[in-house]
Amino acid sequence: GIQVEQSPPDLILQEGANSTLRCNFSDSVNNLQWFHQNPWGQLINLFYIPSGTKQNGRLSATTVATERYSLLYISSSQTTDSGVYFCAVEETSGSRLTFGEGTQLTVNP
Amino acid sequence: KAGVTQTPRYLIKTRGQQVTLSCSPISGHRSVSWYQQTPGQGLQFLFEYFSETQRNKGNFPGRFSGRQFSNSRSEMNVSTLELGDSALYLCASSFLAGVTYNEQFFGPGTRLTVL
Repeated sequence: GIQVEQSPPDLILQEGANSTLRCNFSDSVNNLQWFHQNPWGQLINLFYIPSGTKQNGRLSATTVATERYSLLYISSSQTTDSGVYFCAVEETSGSRLTFGEGTQLTVNP
Repeated sequence: KAGVTQTPRYLIKTRGQQVTLSCSPISGHRSVSWYQQTPGQGLQFLFEYFSETQRNKGNFPGRFSGRQFSNSRSEMNVSTLELGDSALYLCASSFLAGVTYNEQFFGPGTRLTVL
């Protein structure tokens, strides 16, 4: 099956700093989503981005499907950005998502 | 529009028992998927239902089963619980408009502890 690798596994920032999270995948994908897992465990949708670039406030994402990677940018980080960020891909049509292992982000005040 | 709901939110069971978890998708969504999250294995796909039929299945033993009702609500059942089944179980729904768009939305999860 498809492999999804996220880097870095852990990231510690000071409030106000910028960061880039990376997701590499081993095969062509139909869909790609970025999630933020809140402290209670719920996965919050950040981006649905099988290709191209999207922005939502301080967050933006870019997926280069031909090179099999996606990037999540967080600018002017805030303590509330802390948590685990997951990249997930859907290999073929259907609804089976394969998740990376996540990036644990800690933003210190 | 209400989000995906899951019940119960927390559950404590003992080894050998069985458990049923419930998921109500976003109104209008017809696909429901289930995932298991553990510290050791991460997030793993269990199965997906669409129009009351299981379309995809992950690599889990037959103790894990599910079903979907005509209103798209889904249940998953785990029989003969083992300690290793302790996990956060997440349900996701999607409209499944076709192969070009299939964004999935997750519920808050059910945290199962097996003693």
